[in-house]
Amino acid sequence: DAKTTQPNSMESNEEEPVHLPCNHSTISGTDYIHWYRQLPSQGPEYVIHGLTSNVNNRMASLAIAEDRKSSTLILHRATLRDAAVYYCILRGLGTTGTASKLTFGTGTRLQVTL
Amino acid sequence: DTEVTQTPKHLVMGMTNKKSLKCEQHMGHRAMYWYKQKAKKPPELMFVYSYEKLSINESVPSRFSPECPNSSLLNLHLHALQPEDSALYLCASSQGAQGARAGYTFGSGTRLTVV
Repeated sequence: DAKTTQPNSMESNEEEPVHLPCNHSTISGTDYIHWYRQLPSQGPEYVIHGLTSNVNNRMASLAIAEDRKSSTLILHRATLRDAAVYYCILRGLGTTGTASKLTFGTGTRLQVTL
Repeated sequence: DTEVTQTPKHLVMGMTNKKSLKCEQHMGHRAMYWYKQKAKKPPELMFVYSYEKLSINESVPSRFSPECPNSSLLNLHLHALQPEDSALYLCASSQGAQGARAGYTFGSGTRLTVV
């Protein structure tokens, strides 16, 4: 799997937007960009994913650069419950009948303060 | 049902014990995964099952033995573990190869302590 680079940590004030960056300069044409987060003492939680176009869901937005070499996860209004480690992961398609891997990098630890 | 259920939540075992971790999902997902996570580190992939067949083994020691009895269940059998195997063991599922177009669903994990 291609590698991603994320800042180790970021801070945000509550109710402000948060932009979490991810660089993936070696992304291939079939790699999907996935974001997961892991709250303390819990398993990772799927946040959002995309291929080329920007994506929105109830949790977040994903902005993908035109060259696909970087992306940004946007939390529109951070809350204390959004404090977690956020992982940006590239995932390619597996071969027919075979699942592909989801390989975690070190992620970004987001702190949200009042 | 949109969950992955792992049991037990906590397990303490001696180095000579044999124990099993269990994982269950009823979302119709055909790929299931075991991950190991040490404190303050990202999850590390151990095994991938696709359509009940082992498709990826990330060079995991043989004291860890996975089993997929059917499309809803995944077990991890543990034998002769070492204290350094103490970790959070996470199970996940996805829609097989199509999972690149969809997310994984993770369980809450089993926190294992080897004494």
